[in-house]
This record gives sequence, C-alpha cells and structure tokens, in this order.
Amino acid sequence: GAVVSQHPSRVICKSGTSVKIECRSLDFQATTMFWYRQFPKQSLMLMATSNEGSKATYEQGVEKDKFLINHASLTLSTLTVTSAHPEDSSFYICSAEGTDTQYFGPGTRLTVL
Amino acid sequence: DAKTTQPNSMESNEEEPVHLPCNHSTISGTDYIHWYRQLPSQGPEYVIHGLTSNVNNRMASLAIAEDRKSSTLILHRATLRDAAVYYCIPQDGVNAGKSTFGDGTTLTVKP
Repeated sequence: GAVVSQHPSRVICKSGTSVKIECRSLDFQATTMFWYRQFPKQSLMLMATSNEGSKATYEQGVEKDKFLINHASLTLSTLTVTSAHPEDSSFYICSAEGTDTQYFGPGTRLTVL
Repeated sequence: DAKTTQPNSMESNEEEPVHLPCNHSTISGTDYIHWYRQLPSQGPEYVIHGLTSNVNNRMASLAIAEDRKSSTLILHRATLRDAAVYYCIPQDGVNAGKSTFGDGTTLTVKP
C-alpha cells in the first residue's frame, strides 16, 4: 500500500513556542490530506482538511489561527501548532486521500511542557 | 455521516477466527464501508472496504448484510499482532474522504 510519513515522530517543546509537523505522501500524489488529533484513550478527531494550493477547511471548534496548515505541494502538508500550551499535548495524525482509501501517517507525539 | 455502533471490546484466542460486528443502520446508498485498525501508538492502518458484496483480501474478509445496515470484519486466524482497535467507517463514494472515527472495538488476543 501507499506510504505516508510524518516528521518528527515525537517532539517536546516549551509552552508558548511553535511546532511544525510535516506529513508526506512518499509514493503518490495527494491533492487532499487530513489532520487528526487523538488524546489518550480517545478516538481520532478530525481537525482539518488540507487541500493542495488552497486554504484548509477546519472542523467546528478548531482554531485556524492556532493550527496553521499549509499544503504547498502534492506530497507535503504541514501543521504548525502556534503558541503551544500543555493542553495541546496530543497525538497528531495525518492522512492522505487515495483513490479507494485513506493512508495514515505514523503519528507525531507532541508534549508541551 | 452515518452513525456506527461497535462493541467496546472483544477477546479472542490466538489462531482462532474473530468476527467483529458493526451496525450502521443510517448508511446511505453510496457509502462504502471501510475498516481500519490502530495498533498502540501508531496511526490507523487500512484493513478492507466494500459496498455490497462480501470482500476478501490477505488481511481479512468483510461480510456485508443484504440490507447494508451491518457488516462483520472477519479475521480468519487471529495472531497477537492483530491486537488493536478496529474502526468501522462508512464513507461516501469509492474515493475515501475524511473519516469520522467512532470509539471502535478493542480486540485483545490471548496466547
């Protein structure tokens, strides 16, 4: 199956700093990518839909100015958590839309101290 | 999005078959039924999907009820590596768009 990578796999940062997470589709082009967040012992929650060359579409309750999404190419989408706080600590997962299914990245564990 | 109901947890013995049920009574006619699984501390992994007919692949089989209001994921011989959370997700059209994840079923496989 297709491969989606994320970088970094885990990151620890201080409160108030910004963190960028990259999501790459390694062997196919993805016009659409998705960003999810997962808190411990909970299911995945969709944050936003990232479309190549256009603005992202955010789900209700997700602050677009706090979670900046850029999808500048057909193989790369980035999520920047701005002015991170401890409550932003979570497991962030991206996925890329394929022709018949979604392909998920391995996830990024963010810890904000 | 169609609402799904799955048992919170199931147990299986290694080498035995496992049947994971999912109810999706509000599914629309164009929704494909996708199954993903998530191992601890990993992103979800595609397992199988189908529309009306039963489907088989190297990982599992998918049995879809005639009225499409329920489906069952079948693991023919569970292994310890199959221990994961299994999610059943109806998605509109053959092109998988955004997924709305429910709570899924946590499968425990006993040696």
